[in-house]
Amino acid sequence: KNEVEQSPQNLTAQEGEFITINCSYSVGISALHWLQQHPGGGIVSLFMLSSGKKKHGRLIATINIQEKHSSLHITASHPRDSAVYICAVRSLDAGADGLTFGKGTHLIIQP
Amino acid sequence: GAVVSQHPSRVICKSGTSVKIECRSLDFQATTMFWYRQFPKQSLMLMATSNEGSKATYEQGVEKDKFLINHASLTLSTLTVTSAHPEDSSFYICSARRGGAETQYFGPGTRLLVL
Repeated sequence: KNEVEQSPQNLTAQEGEFITINCSYSVGISALHWLQQHPGGGIVSLFMLSSGKKKHGRLIATINIQEKHSSLHITASHPRDSAVYICAVRSLDAGADGLTFGKGTHLIIQP
Repeated sequence: GAVVSQHPSRVICKSGTSVKIECRSLDFQATTMFWYRQFPKQSLMLMATSNEGSKATYEQGVEKDKFLINHASLTLSTLTVTSAHPEDSSFYICSARRGGAETQYFGPGTRLLVL
């Protein structure tokens, strides 16, 4: 069974701090997604990774396939970054098409 | 980026009635659409995968006769919750994917409350 674990579950930080959210998974994957969910429930796709590192603005995502681990970093955090960040993976299992999700990390950035 | 819409955004219905939720890809052709469910403070859980023109593939534990999925065109998939019960109250989210692509585009979700 594929399991996706995120840490921390909750994180409160001050504006400007460097934020790291971690994700570990248990099976071989074809891709890993980082998603952002706002209080209303809507989900935005931030990154899709299969190897290495990606950067978009103040967000950086890395993945280590051998260690089955990914991190999402936010530099110069801002209150508008407050949201739930979700890690999701697509398994290599034949027939597995949808994503398996972590429980999310609830991030609050205080001014 | 690609846009996926859902309708309605929220719905309240009586127990025993059926509710239809629409998921549309507005600016691309979605060969595959996914339906997810999220209970409060829980992970999103995949309910079913639908490919245009084919029967949906349901995850273990999801009743196909209760959650009817139709993906009749490359831009529209519908989820019908039949004979809804209060335990079906949840947040339902669809996502859409172009053929051969990995990225999924998520709809804004539909909050269902069954009284």
